[in-house]
Amino acid sequence: GAGVSQSPSNKVTEKGKDVELRCDPISGHTALYWYRQSLGQGLEFLIYFQGNSAPDKSGLPSDRFSAERTGGSVSTLTIQRTQQEDSAVYLCASSSQTGGVDTIYFGEGSWLTVV
Amino acid sequence: QQPVQSPQAVILREGEDAVINCSSSKALYSVHWYRQKHGEAPVFLMILLKGGEQKGHDKISASFNEKKQQSSLYLTASQLSYSGTYFCGTEPNGNQFYFGTGTSLTVIP
Repeated sequence: GAGVSQSPSNKVTEKGKDVELRCDPISGHTALYWYRQSLGQGLEFLIYFQGNSAPDKSGLPSDRFSAERTGGSVSTLTIQRTQQEDSAVYLCASSSQTGGVDTIYFGEGSWLTVV
Repeated sequence: QQPVQSPQAVILREGEDAVINCSSSKALYSVHWYRQKHGEAPVFLMILLKGGEQKGHDKISASFNEKKQQSSLYLTASQLSYSGTYFCGTEPNGNQFYFGTGTSLTVIP
């Protein structure tokens, strides 16, 4: 695609429900990143996928968070039993990382509100 | 492991220069710089790799001192479009990234 695509762009969910956030990186990009940004706060790294390598999940804030990347392309971030503190914008980014780290492109984010 | 940025906020007049610093307590593999405008996604500015030279992008450049585990972003002859929050991102290894708390930059006419 032309850019990093994220869906949904906005999600309001009730506390305790599960949510899935999707990221479709730029075609051919092998690296994919998930970040979280709470209102007025900085960027919090969640997880990074590089090719088919197993990701380091230690950045995920709790065991309610999980992420996968199927076929080295689309990624899904799942939050189980959502809590109000999960409310944030979840940003996905991708880069080509061929011959060294390339420009990193961000999607527009998925705004999650837990009520 | 979160890097420390300074200053927290800066106000400039158009045409003035600014320096934003980013310090880490950990040895770094790379440093990234981003700019984010209110309500928008961050925009990647540049990355500096261990052993890499200083980089430039238009009138914005950056340096990376591996021994001091520091990076600085230099904004020269600032323009109104430079306003935003600048984040550094540090990579202590190949698998995790940590972002600073950000520096709010406001350029006024």
